[in-house]
Amino acid sequence: SQTIHQWPATLVQPVGSPLSLECTVEGTSNPNLYWYRQAAGRGLQLLFYSVGIGQISSEVPQNLSASRPQDRQFILSSKKLLLSDSGFYLCAWNRHYDQPQHFGDGTRLSIL
Amino acid sequence: QKEVEQDPGPLSVPEGAIVSLNCTYSNSAFQYFMWYRQYSRKGPELLMYTYSSGNKEDGRFTAQVDKSSKYISLFIRDSQPSDSATYLCAMMTGNQFYFGTGTSLTVIP
Repeated sequence: SQTIHQWPATLVQPVGSPLSLECTVEGTSNPNLYWYRQAAGRGLQLLFYSVGIGQISSEVPQNLSASRPQDRQFILSSKKLLLSDSGFYLCAWNRHYDQPQHFGDGTRLSIL
Repeated sequence: QKEVEQDPGPLSVPEGAIVSLNCTYSNSAFQYFMWYRQYSRKGPELLMYTYSSGNKEDGRFTAQVDKSSKYISLFIRDSQPSDSATYLCAMMTGNQFYFGTGTSLTVIP
């Protein structure tokens, strides 16, 4: 069966510091991978998606970037965090674009 | 108008009640419909996935889709305290996913 892992679960970072969140999927190959941010009462905001190694599409211009160095690894990064980057970040995958997405347990990011 | 509208609640029911959660949508191109359950501090978990209009049942859960009215529902029978969570509807067309903002449900023992 397929599983998706995200870490860390919780992160507290000062303003201006760098960020690296990692997501890996097991039990499948060549998945589509997604990064979302979830804000209370505002639903899920798609940040990036990737259909293959090195292929990244950005949905919202912002202070964040994403990379996919390996088939089942997806990384969300920032060089300098802003207060507005606080939130709950979720990674998701599906095998084909018209199949439901499956989510990891998220990273709660607090910026001080 | 938002693509997907979902009443945020909160909804509070006694144990054993039948719960009805609903979403409306505006885009008639939506082809696939999903319900996710999200516990506090966890990621959404896929509950139901349907394609066509009509009902799909899985244990205590029934998903209903009415494409003519652009309306989907999730029914929970014999609700349990463990059903307390936020429920998100989601819809898909092509490679575009749209999520509702979620309805918070509490089942009181």
